[in-house]
Amino acid sequence: EPEVTQTPSHQVTQMGQEVILRCVPISNHLYFYWYRQILGQKVEFLVSFYNNEISEKSEIFDDQFSVERPDGSNFTLKIRSTKLEDSAMYFCASSEAFADQETQYFGPGTRLLVL
Amino acid sequence: GENVEQHPSTLSVQEGDSAVIKCTYSDSASNYFPWYKQELGKRPQLIIDIRSNVGEKKDQRIAVTLNKTAKHFSLHITETQPEDSAVYFCATNTDKLIFGTGTRLQVFP
Repeated sequence: EPEVTQTPSHQVTQMGQEVILRCVPISNHLYFYWYRQILGQKVEFLVSFYNNEISEKSEIFDDQFSVERPDGSNFTLKIRSTKLEDSAMYFCASSEAFADQETQYFGPGTRLLVL
Repeated sequence: GENVEQHPSTLSVQEGDSAVIKCTYSDSASNYFPWYKQELGKRPQLIIDIRSNVGEKKDQRIAVTLNKTAKHFSLHITETQPEDSAVYFCATNTDKLIFGTGTRLQVFP
């Protein structure tokens, strides 16, 4: 069964450094999402992406964040200048269609630790 | 924006007992209600979902009920087993998933 994949599984970085988190969505899916989960808390929506542009973003997704689909398979989340509070698990998700009744499938996550 | 409340935050049951987790939501436009199970350090895994045109759905030991008028939906797990121990999240999907705060379920043998 196809799955969303993410790399790296863990990333440790110094405050102020840039990080790029990578995702490969399920191949026939057209809609992509990033979520984050601070340790012990709920999963929070960051951004949705379709047709090479952002569809919606949350208030968490400020100017330090950007997303890109650099080629036909990868979907990336960049944090330009990391802060301590960016430490979290970041999940990529994808769905076949962009509808309020469409199942989203999650990747295994990247655990980001900012020191 | 949409707000999803989930109760209880922790739930401990004896193996074989039933477990019920409840969620309420605020956006009446919500039409899709998935439930995710998350084991420690792992991804959220969809275990069951319900769409607004039905009031109940069952899959083996798991069932979900939906009351659109009252804006609440519930997860029911019967004959619980130790491997059911995890954090369970309800969510609503109006083009993005809005998650509840999670319920840590512990099933004691």
